Amino acid sequence: DGGITQSPKYLFRKEGQNVTLSCEQNLNHDAMYWYRQDPGQGLRLIYYSQIVNDFQKGDIAEGYSVSREKKESFPLTVTSAQKNPTAFYLCATSPGQTTDTQYFGPGTRLTVL
Amino acid sequence: QQQVKQSPQSLIVQKGGIPIINCAYENTAFDYFPWYQQFPGKGPALLIAIRPDVSEKKEGRFTISFNKSAKQFSLHIMDSQPGDSATYFCAASSGGYQKVTFGTGTKLQVIP
Repeated sequence: DGGITQSPKYLFRKEGQNVTLSCEQNLNHDAMYWYRQDPGQGLRLIYYSQIVNDFQKGDIAEGYSVSREKKESFPLTVTSAQKNPTAFYLCATSPGQTTDTQYFGPGTRLTVL
Repeated sequence: QQQVKQSPQSLIVQKGGIPIINCAYENTAFDYFPWYQQFPGKGPALLIAIRPDVSEKKEGRFTISFNKSAKQFSLHIMDSQPGDSATYFCAASSGGYQKVTFGTGTKLQVIP
């Protein structure tokens, strides 16, 4: 986990609500990533950002949005358009603009009530 | 092309045994193959990684074997301990601005 913090640790959402998951890093890493983890499906990439004010869609971006206004921060918003948002969400960083080694935060578990 | 296939899905071994987890890939552009270890409720952590210019890498009790021609790589855990019980993910990437592709994970249980 080291210098990557995710908050909150647990989050409960009612259907139709947008929620924002926080990811902050003090590692001075350029690249940041959001993954979704479901049982038996490994890690699936939602969005990634290699530099400030720029980000790209991953494999499952529908129903999610991000911003990268600061190098240290990469918040993820789960919108009401995401039909099945209950999952474990992981933020990761990597040092340069390559993806060789990724460092993960402790995760946020989102549950839709 | 981007998929990394991991097996088995779960594995139970006795303490001292040598669990082996296998991964296979199709994309020959992949040039970096890490393994991550994840404990319940925590984020994954890098365990060991290999590049295709070597066939084996050891770090402590963990060894990666790499077969470039077969496009396969595997993780061996020597003298496994109950504390090694976790989920293990293989991954692959091609560097540059490419994404990391993860396997689906192997849940390992080491029983005393």
